[in-house]
Amino acid sequence: GESVGLHLPTLSVQEGDNSIINCAYSNSASDYFIWYKQESGKGPQFIIDIRSNMDKRQGQRVTVLLNKTVKHLSLQIAATQPGDSAVYFCAGQAAGNKLTFGGGTRVLVKP
Amino acid sequence: NAGVTQTPKFRVLKTGQSMTLLCAQDMNHEYMYWYRQDPGMGLRLIHYSVGEGTTAKGEVPDGYNVSRLKKQNFLLGLESAAPSQTSVYFCATSASSYNEQFFGPGTRLTVL
Repeated sequence: GESVGLHLPTLSVQEGDNSIINCAYSNSASDYFIWYKQESGKGPQFIIDIRSNMDKRQGQRVTVLLNKTVKHLSLQIAATQPGDSAVYFCAGQAAGNKLTFGGGTRVLVKP
Repeated sequence: NAGVTQTPKFRVLKTGQSMTLLCAQDMNHEYMYWYRQDPGMGLRLIHYSVGEGTTAKGEVPDGYNVSRLKKQNFLLGLESAAPSQTSVYFCATSASSYNEQFFGPGTRLTVL
């Protein structure tokens, strides 16, 4: 079945640096992916999504890269700010299935 | 617009007690979902609904029941709570199956 996982449980980054969060998925039929941000005590908040017909998508200070060959996606955050400190989840979906979430990566921004 | 709201925000139950969690949305979305989130784990789907009057099982449905009598509301019931159901419960909605899901603020449930 579908499984989506993250390489690193915690990422510590200096304020102003770029952050890269990685995610691997197992189901080659997955064709829709979402990144969520979850702050302490709150529900997940949508950041950006990408469909399998794209390799890259950019938002405000964020970029998602999708490599279907190795079943890997990443989230890049430019100029990381203290407000970016949170847990980040990737989630993937294949046709006919529901969204499957990874375990999450905690990003800590050091001043 | 309130978006997605959940009541209650916190609840403590004793083993064997029952309760209902309410999710309400004003986004006119067809799809609604109930997830649970445990420490160190991602979100796991309990039940979902693709429209008013419909419900379906997710990944971890045992011990839970749901109802979608109105489009804007999705109820999650625990008939006989167990300590293993201690978790944070999130409701989410989406316009369709392949769209982003919007999450509520969560309900923290402790079963003693």
